[in-house]
Amino acid sequence: GAGVSQSPSNKVTEKGKDVELRCDPISGHTALYWYRQRLGQGLEFLIYFQGNSAPDKSGLPSDRFSAERTGESVSTLTIQRTQQEDSAVYLCASSSGPSRFFGPGTRLTVL
Amino acid sequence: DQQVKQNSPSLSVQEGRISILNCDYTNSMFDYFLWYKKYPAEGPTFLISISSIKDKNEDGRFTVFLNKSAKHLSLHIVPSQPGDSAVYFCAASGGTGNQFYFGTGTSLTVIP
Repeated sequence: GAGVSQSPSNKVTEKGKDVELRCDPISGHTALYWYRQRLGQGLEFLIYFQGNSAPDKSGLPSDRFSAERTGESVSTLTIQRTQQEDSAVYLCASSSGPSRFFGPGTRLTVL
Repeated sequence: DQQVKQNSPSLSVQEGRISILNCDYTNSMFDYFLWYKKYPAEGPTFLISISSIKDKNEDGRFTVFLNKSAKHLSLHIVPSQPGDSAVYFCAASGGTGNQFYFGTGTSLTVIP
């Protein structure tokens, strides 16, 4: 497709389980971002990939969070030992310039 | 520390009138600003941008104003339409990175 896609669209998990979220960026976009939006809060930057450079992980809230990206393609965000405060919509965006294009997000609910 | 602030969590405007959404920032290194619109259950969509070399950028019904000395930007929507009802985020970037800092959003309701 022409846009950024994310899967799954919804994920319900139990506290303590690991989850993996996937993002397919727009083809040719060298930059990829992960954001989180918790209920009633703004968009929170998590991690940024630019080409083959080392990713900017400064927004990751804890070492339970990690992300990978292979080249300029798919990225996965992994949350280990999920906690209830991890419940949020996780948004992925890609760009080839200053403006970024967002995916529809993955709504994560940790019970 | 919130570097980008949207102090009004919500705004209601009558259809046809002007909507003014405000955003303040603290980092004088910011030199590029964006506004995003977000509908419920959807990802944000890019609306309009402005770089620090300009103080105004217009795109149809949407105009963004930048006051660098006051570290303030605003989004004007004229005339407002019911379909404009959404949450609006401002975002700022600057310095060496591509990292954008987002405000907490303003929920706009346009009343028919």
